[in-house]
Amino acid sequence: DIQMTQSPSSVSASIGDRVTITCRASQGVSNWLAWYQQKPGKAPKLLIFAASSLQSGVPSRFSGSGSGTDFTLTISTLQPEDFATYYCQQTDSFPLTFGGGTKVEIK
Amino acid sequence: EVQLVESGGGLEQPGRSLRLSCAASGFTFDDYAMHWVRQTPGKGLEWVAGISWNSGHIEYGDSVKGRFTVSRDNAKNSLYLQMNSLRPDDTALYYCAKGSSLVASSVTDAWGKGTTVVVSS
Repeated sequence: DIQMTQSPSSVSASIGDRVTITCRASQGVSNWLAWYQQKPGKAPKLLIFAASSLQSGVPSRFSGSGSGTDFTLTISTLQPEDFATYYCQQTDSFPLTFGGGTKVEIK
Repeated sequence: EVQLVESGGGLEQPGRSLRLSCAASGFTFDDYAMHWVRQTPGKGLEWVAGISWNSGHIEYGDSVKGRFTVSRDNAKNSLYLQMNSLRPDDTALYYCAKGSSLVASSVTDAWGKGTTVVVSS
């Protein structure tokens, strides 16, 4: 199985900050990498698919990059509604696997 | 608007069975793969199973393989998860999720609110 490792596990940031979250796959997944946002008590929401494609309706301050084993989710200018937990997921091979999550907290 | 409504969760004893259902609306159900994903309290996400649009391709997570069976009824716009030989570590919130394409490996672009399964004696 492909293991997905996210770092950091949590980050404290202020409104307006640039936030970067990384996701590393234990083996190459090409660009079959998605990012999700989850707020407390809510279901996850798809932000990015195919490593860098923005899902419809997602603000452009979110961006994704990377291929192979190393990926990045960047929030260019953190907004109050962005405080949440973020997960990566590989869809290159079964079983599909998620990273452990990164919680973005208010500083 | 895509709507996914899970049902069938509850408290069950170890070794017993439960069947989860997901009623889908707001999209052409048989054009998309579907998935089950679970989340334990305070923990992360675990992909449980995926099924292609026509049930021709089905895959499972390692921890449920051989115990859980995913199925769909396109005529009823419904997804199911038959959970047998339940274990305490199956305790979780189970989400039904819509795939973004026909194939079982698709990302999930819409999720239900989930149904809670508790396995305990």
